[in-house]
Amino acid sequence: NAGVTQTPKFQVLKTGQSMTLQCAQDMNHEYMSWYRQDPGMGLRLIHYSVGAGITDQGEVPNGYNVSRSTTEDFPLRLLSAAPSQTSVYFCASSYSPTGARNTIYFGEGSWLTVV
Amino acid sequence: DQQVKQNSPSLSVQEGRISILNCDYTNSMFDYFLWYKKYPAEGPTFLISISSIKDKNEDGRFTVFLNKSAKHLSLHIVPSQPGDSAVYFCAATGSSNTGKLIFGQGTTLQVKP
Repeated sequence: NAGVTQTPKFQVLKTGQSMTLQCAQDMNHEYMSWYRQDPGMGLRLIHYSVGAGITDQGEVPNGYNVSRSTTEDFPLRLLSAAPSQTSVYFCASSYSPTGARNTIYFGEGSWLTVV
Repeated sequence: DQQVKQNSPSLSVQEGRISILNCDYTNSMFDYFLWYKKYPAEGPTFLISISSIKDKNEDGRFTVFLNKSAKHLSLHIVPSQPGDSAVYFCAATGSSNTGKLIFGQGTTLQVKP
């Protein structure tokens, strides 16, 4: 996975705790996004950003918060963890959303369990 | 409402044969389609894509076909190899310049030696 780094890889949280999943890319991509993968559901978009200072909601934004202060970083915050947020989280980045360069690179994933 | 659907959760084929993975979509605003491959404990990796102005795109053993009138695309892998065993996701996006992808549920391909 070219240049998208996610941390931590594994995390166990108690219900009600908060935490931040970190994502960094070194490809100078403008577009970054967070997805969650659940069994039988494919990947669903949580939040995305089209550039520093600009974020918007995806399909399943509730319970998550994001900010984009730099081009490189796009952290995902869980405000008050719930068991329904147990999932695998993928950060992604891309140079451009259209044309031949519409190749989105994914990080290796963060496995989150909320008990 | 599932805008991108992969109705076959799994597919098993013999090594050397053709694998055909299917994907249907409902949103006529989608104009760019991608296939991703995912191994366990790894992130998805880009495989092949197709723009709505084309009906076929080929890259080595992988070919994607797009039928816009039927809102259907398929991925053909010829010949299939055991290393192709993975989960394959179909994804679609529109021209809204946001980099958002809408994914299907995925199809697990098993290629038997």
